[in-house]
Amino acid sequence: DAKTTQPPSMDCAEGRAANLPCNHSTISGNEYVYWYRQIHSQGPQYIIHGLKNNETNEMASLIITEDRKSSTLILPHATLRDTAVYYCIVRVDYHGQNFVFGPGTRLSVLP
Amino acid sequence: SAVISQKPSRDICQRGTSLTIQCQVDSQVTMMFWYRQQPGQSLTLIATANQGSEATYESGFVIDKFPISRPNLTFSTLTVSNMSPEDSSIYLCSVDGIRGRETQYFGPGTRLLVL
Repeated sequence: DAKTTQPPSMDCAEGRAANLPCNHSTISGNEYVYWYRQIHSQGPQYIIHGLKNNETNEMASLIITEDRKSSTLILPHATLRDTAVYYCIVRVDYHGQNFVFGPGTRLSVLP
Repeated sequence: SAVISQKPSRDICQRGTSLTIQCQVDSQVTMMFWYRQQPGQSLTLIATANQGSEATYESGFVIDKFPISRPNLTFSTLTVSNMSPEDSSIYLCSVDGIRGRETQYFGPGTRLLVL
């Protein structure tokens, strides 16, 4: 079973920040938090991952709480092309460990 | 990121037939994974494929139904055997360990419809 809990759906206005929450209260000390998204009919796309520090890249920011039991993915200026299912996954960060996908959050960016 | 291609991108097949899906990566990788995504559902791992050894299957998936080949470090195939309409899904391959990065990259998927 997936080790994360996400809201099933969210809406966001175009141009505004999209904040997607994820609960992972049973995360282990050596598990990373990964975010992927899947745009309709495409393969999942890697977004970002982190262990305990906040992370930022060209796509998004990842904010992890100090106790690591929850995190938030932030898309700073959502566009219509960001409409997708977003998956939060915890995984030990070494080769050969598969990802366990939960149902994710369906984000709809509205014009 | 890695360039991963899958063939075919989509197919419509008759009940009882088999389909082989190919996954090609543009660099050598140790681990390749095959996932299934049934309509409206999330991804489920079918098996893990290492080069030079037999694939490791997850609970609920068997080699007779989903035989996998991994002849080299850039290529793998998944066969869906003796298909039924319940096999209608998107099948995705993914790879791990590209250029030292501890994350997985996914192919575009193969959309299969069984009539």
